[in-house]
Amino acid sequence: NAGVMQNPRHLVRRRGQEARLRCSPMKGHSHVYWYRQLPEEGLKFMVYLQKENIIDESGMPKERFSAEFPKEGPSILRIQQVVRGDSAAYFCASSTYDSGLTEAFFGQGTRLTVV
Amino acid sequence: DAKTTQPTSMDCAEGRAANLPCNHSTISGNEYVYWYRQIHSQGPQYIIHGLKNNETNEMASLIITEDRKSSTLILPHATLRDTAVYYCIVRTRDAGNNRKLIWGLGTSLAVNP
Repeated sequence: NAGVMQNPRHLVRRRGQEARLRCSPMKGHSHVYWYRQLPEEGLKFMVYLQKENIIDESGMPKERFSAEFPKEGPSILRIQQVVRGDSAAYFCASSTYDSGLTEAFFGQGTRLTVV
Repeated sequence: DAKTTQPTSMDCAEGRAANLPCNHSTISGNEYVYWYRQIHSQGPQYIIHGLKNNETNEMASLIITEDRKSSTLILPHATLRDTAVYYCIVRTRDAGNNRKLIWGLGTSLAVNP
């Protein structure tokens, strides 16, 4: 059972370009979370999605950032017109949903560098 | 959201038990304690979670005090590969059963040969 797959692992973009980060959840998982980690800091929640639905985007910046999790295919975190402050590691996690306890499994992250 | 407090860093000798404390004095009755770790440049890895009772799995043991205001993660025989940042997290629940995790800065554990 493959784990959570994120690609690319490393992404370099010039200021003003768009960045697209992909996350394929574990098989059977229908819940995806995106987190951002700045250097020397803990992870910060961005968005929580289920298939075709955004459940909680309270951690997403109001502008330039968007996320989707279509019926088919990976979840995409899209950052438009990137700025240097967007440079960070972006982690995706997935989980199942049930009435009990579920733990989220994380991917290896995408390290975005804006130059 | 209940907040957690952890020491910034700890050291442990290889082969000895590593005991990582966490305070969560404002935890509410239906909130669970989760532990994750993050080895340098990798994604976080789930370790263990618990509500009231002590828990054990192949990676670690979790001891939760009776009043639930603190807990200790125990790595029984630490190895060099256990060097990582360890995060104690209290999981938020709201009306929508949101499962987002609120992360602090964790404890940086150094296992020394």
